[in-house]
Amino acid sequence: QQQVKQSPQSLIVQKGGIPIINCAYENTAFDYFPWYQQFPGKGPALLIAIRPDVSEKKEGRFTISFNKSAKQFSLHIMDSQPGDSATYFCAASLGGGSQGNLIFGKGTKLSVKP
Amino acid sequence: NAGVTQTPKFQVLKTGQSMTLQCAQDMNHEYMSWYRQDPGMGLRLIHYSVGAGITDQGEVPNGYNVSRSTTEDFPLRLLSAAPSQTSVYFCASSYRQKLSGANVLTFGAGSRLTVL
Repeated sequence: QQQVKQSPQSLIVQKGGIPIINCAYENTAFDYFPWYQQFPGKGPALLIAIRPDVSEKKEGRFTISFNKSAKQFSLHIMDSQPGDSATYFCAASLGGGSQGNLIFGKGTKLSVKP
Repeated sequence: NAGVTQTPKFQVLKTGQSMTLQCAQDMNHEYMSWYRQDPGMGLRLIHYSVGAGITDQGEVPNGYNVSRSTTEDFPLRLLSAAPSQTSVYFCASSYRQKLSGANVLTFGAGSRLTVL
């Protein structure tokens, strides 16, 4: 049973575009939702995270939108750059992420064309 | 400060062979975990540890053993490798953010394992 569903699998945008990656979860007990960014040959790295008590969080050009009633959350990348080309994973956790165990989506490979 | 160090980076095994993937962190993190990454499957939790001497199973633990004798080290053992264990393995350690209380995972660079 896949507890975090991520779409699309891949995404191509032009420089300056706004790619949007969507995730949906099933377990209403999840209360911590991070996004990780992974470049080829590297381990994933935390990009931004949100808790369900807020509907939006911005850090630089990255924004998470959260819809608790729909059990969905999404990542928006404003003014995307070729350097943003990477694989993005959404994830969810219990206990506010206190145990460090994350359930990941399957990932979205983003390509930003110059 | 090296972060999370995984060795080896690449390994080829024959079916039935055993090996250990090493993971060490120098950040004094309590939590450590192992994930495997397969194409189109994302990252799946194999085993995790909340501190020295304490380990537990994740989503896909079969065929793998772990131990945590020290805070720094968390090796992953394959007792009898199978082709289905061909994957990229990531070790992670985590710390709790003071402000949010959430654990932030720091991943190693990965170990690519091929089982023939």
